[in-house]
Amino acid sequence: ILNVEQSPQSLHVQEGDSTNFTCSFPSSNFYALHWYRWETAKSPEALFVMTLNGDEKKKGRISATLNTKEGYSYLYIKGSQPEDSATYLCAPRPTGANNLFFGTGTRLTVIP
Amino acid sequence: EPEVTQTPSHQVTQMGQEVILRCVPISNHLYFYWYRQILGQKVEFLVSFYNNEISEKSEIFDDQFSVERPDGSNFTLKIRSTKLEDSAMYFCASSRGLAINNEQFFGPGTRLTVL
Repeated sequence: ILNVEQSPQSLHVQEGDSTNFTCSFPSSNFYALHWYRWETAKSPEALFVMTLNGDEKKKGRISATLNTKEGYSYLYIKGSQPEDSATYLCAPRPTGANNLFFGTGTRLTVIP
Repeated sequence: EPEVTQTPSHQVTQMGQEVILRCVPISNHLYFYWYRQILGQKVEFLVSFYNNEISEKSEIFDDQFSVERPDGSNFTLKIRSTKLEDSAMYFCASSRGLAINNEQFFGPGTRLTVL
C-alpha cells in the first residue's frame, strides 16, 4: 500500500483565477504517475501519465510537473472555468505493479 | 471515442446475496481491472486480469470475490455473499498494455448498496 496525499482536499476559486494543487507520494519504487479528472456520475478522465523526473505535460489550460526525487507532482489550471469543477485524482504506479494507488483527490469548485 | 461501460449504474441488494457487476472494456485492450471506492475513502485496487487469469490482486479481493471474462467483450466481478461493508462504487478499467505510459481508462462505476 502506498501513502499518497493530495492537498488541499477542496478548493473554491473564482472564474478566471489560476490554481494549483499537490500530490505527494513515496519516491522509492516510483514508476509512473497518473492524473485523472473526475466529474460526479461520469468516468474518471485520464489527463496525464508522467514518468520522468522533471516531466512537464500540458493539455489546454491544464499542466502538470513531476519531481520523482522528492516525491511530488503539481497540477496547474490556468484561467479556471466553471467546467473545470471536478475532483482531481493522482495515482502513482510503483515499480513491479500493474495497479494504481490513488490519493483522496482535490475537489475543485470554480465559481462563475 | 471508445469508452469503458458498466452496468448497472446502481445495484441494491440484501446482505448475503450474490451480485454480478458487468463491464465492457475498450475492445483492443488486453488488461482489465476492478477498483472500488467506499464513500469518503480513497479509490482502492481490487484485481487485475490478463489472458484469462488474475495477474494481481489486493488483500481486499478475498474468496468472496471472483472475476471472469465470459465472452470476448464482457468482464465481470462477482461477490458471492455480500456484506454491508461491500457497499461502495465499483470501477472497471482497461489498458492496452503494461508499458510505462499506458493509460488506464475507467468506466463510470456501479454504485453497490448492501442493505
